[in-house]
Amino acid sequence: SQTIHQWPATLVQPVGSPLSLECTVEGTSNPNLYWYRQAAGRGLQLLFYSVGIGQISSEVPQNLSASRPQDRQFILSSKKLLLSDSGFYLCAWETGFTGELFFGEGSRLTVL
Amino acid sequence: KQEVTQIPAALSVPEGENLVLNCSFTDSAIYNLQWFRQDPGKGLTSLLLIQSSQREQTSGRLNASLDKSSGRSTLYIAASQPGDSATYLCAVTSGTYKYIFGTGTRLKVLA
Repeated sequence: SQTIHQWPATLVQPVGSPLSLECTVEGTSNPNLYWYRQAAGRGLQLLFYSVGIGQISSEVPQNLSASRPQDRQFILSSKKLLLSDSGFYLCAWETGFTGELFFGEGSRLTVL
Repeated sequence: KQEVTQIPAALSVPEGENLVLNCSFTDSAIYNLQWFRQDPGKGLTSLLLIQSSQREQTSGRLNASLDKSSGRSTLYIAASQPGDSATYLCAVTSGTYKYIFGTGTRLKVLA
């Protein structure tokens, strides 16, 4: 069966520090991969999606970036965090056949 | 631009009650509609997926229906239990890799 792993689960970082959140999917090949952010009391905001290795589409201009170095690995990065980057970050993958979306457990980022 | 609305934002019911959660969307040209459950501090768990050619899907005590022409979906939960307490979100996609989410309904089932 397919599983998705996301880490770290919790992160507290100072303003201006770098960020790296990692997501890996097991049990499937060539998934579509997504990064979402969920701010308190707000809906999910799509940040990036990827349909293949090295293919990244950005939905929101910001100081975040994403990379997909391997088929089942998706990384969210920042060179310098802002206070506004605080939030709950969720990685998701999609089955190409049915289009069903599956999420990881999330990474809680607090920028101080 | 597709917009998804979920009403009510919060709901509190006694255990054993049957309940309906609502999801409305403005553009009927959707490919999929998916219902999720989110527990506090956790990721989203997929509950039901309804493809555009389908009218409903069932899983255990859950039944989701889809009426594309009216831009509505409902999630029916039978015989609610305290363990059903969570936030329920719906999402629609037009098949362009963009899932648009509602802000959810926070459900509390009282023992």
